[in-house]
Amino acid sequence: DADVTQTPRNRITKTGKRIMLECSQTKGHDRMYWYRQDPGLGLRLIYYSFDVKDINKGEISDGYSVSRQAQAKFSLSLESAIPNQTALYFCATSATGTGSSYEQYFGPGTRLTVT
Amino acid sequence: TQLLEQSPQFLSIQEGENLTVYCNSSSVFSSLQWYRQEPGEGPVLLVTVVTGGEVKKLKRLTFQFGDARKDSSLHITAAQPGDTGLYLCAGATSGAGSYQLTFGKGTKLSVIP
Repeated sequence: DADVTQTPRNRITKTGKRIMLECSQTKGHDRMYWYRQDPGLGLRLIYYSFDVKDINKGEISDGYSVSRQAQAKFSLSLESAIPNQTALYFCATSATGTGSSYEQYFGPGTRLTVT
Repeated sequence: TQLLEQSPQFLSIQEGENLTVYCNSSSVFSSLQWYRQEPGEGPVLLVTVVTGGEVKKLKRLTFQFGDARKDSSLHITAAQPGDTGLYLCAGATSGAGSYQLTFGKGTKLSVIP
């Protein structure tokens, strides 16, 4: 079984709709992240959480919100989707510790299309 | 904002050839990671380098961290079609209570049988 899972894997939605992307992990990591990937722009950080009570904005948080429901669950919401939020979204986790705290373990991604 | 420049952006080679891809920055990193991403999947961690001048080998892949910890290279010997994918580097900087991991835009490698 995959260590980091994301649901749904693909989603098509209309402008203005609210949508939630979910991420679960069995790696036992405290740290979780949401990224989006766009052609030519690479991976950009949306939000990150170092533990259940810690939520931080990343580089491109506008238009997004997150919820850390448990150590193993981190969800990303688009309150009112717009077409330029069409992208590939990845959840990732990392361990806490000096040597390994930045090594990311990614889920398989969610391809989101906003029409 | 720290930037990581990867080059080349695209690379298409024949099976059996050697290649090197580069990851450069003006910033100093505490560590640098390389990932490979295949279509329809998330990036997978290949290696982390920490010490300036460090060289790590993973089968036919050789990773080097620059002496000043500002750049890195990935060399693939005798490339195979299974090496095809997007190679991403990511540089980390540490700070009290802060998080900074910067990804390059990637090198898309195609190995033709």
